[in-house]
Amino acid sequence: KQEVTQIPAALSVPEGENLVLNCSFTDSAIYNLQWFRQDPGKGLTSLLLIQSSQREQTSGRLNASLDKSSGRSTLYIAASQPGDSATYLCAVTLNDYKLSFGAGTTVTVRA
Amino acid sequence: DAMVIQNPRYQVTQFGKPVTLSCSQTLNHNVMYWYQQKSSQAPKLLFHYYDKDFNNEADTPDNFQSRRPNTSFCFLDIRSPGLGDAAMYLCATSRGGQKTETQYFGPGTRLLVL
Repeated sequence: KQEVTQIPAALSVPEGENLVLNCSFTDSAIYNLQWFRQDPGKGLTSLLLIQSSQREQTSGRLNASLDKSSGRSTLYIAASQPGDSATYLCAVTLNDYKLSFGAGTTVTVRA
Repeated sequence: DAMVIQNPRYQVTQFGKPVTLSCSQTLNHNVMYWYQQKSSQAPKLLFHYYDKDFNNEADTPDNFQSRRPNTSFCFLDIRSPGLGDAAMYLCATSRGGQKTETQYFGPGTRLLVL
């Protein structure tokens, strides 16, 4: 069974610092990996999707890398802002279109 | 804007009283999913529809049922809610057909069981 782990569970940084969020998964037979953002009491917003054949994806201040063989992905957020405060979840796509999620890292960016 | 809509956003029910949560989409996607997310936990897939084909997860309790009367709407029915069913319920859609595509999530319905 695929297990997705995100460590740490919570992170607090001062504004302007770069954020590094980690995700690990046990089964490397994935189709893709996604990073989502979840604001308190809200749904999930997709940030980046990395196909299994790709090594990284970039969108603005966000960069996500994927090392499928070692079962790891990292989300980098450059020059963090208070508006980046949220919970970030990673999820891997298995067969039958299913997503297997990590529990998330809750980020607080202090002004 | 095309989107996934969930109603209500907050639902309070009594222990054992049936409740129905609603999801609609304007994306014309083939696949619709229901997830349960408890506080500080990962979303857990309950079931999904590919068109009219219903796919139940093996560990989804029998207390949870779903209906998809047409492409746009999908309902989650909880027949006899227990205190442990209090959670955020997330609806998602995807186009279907390719395992490389993303899922689009609604804002969620937070269920409170008294």
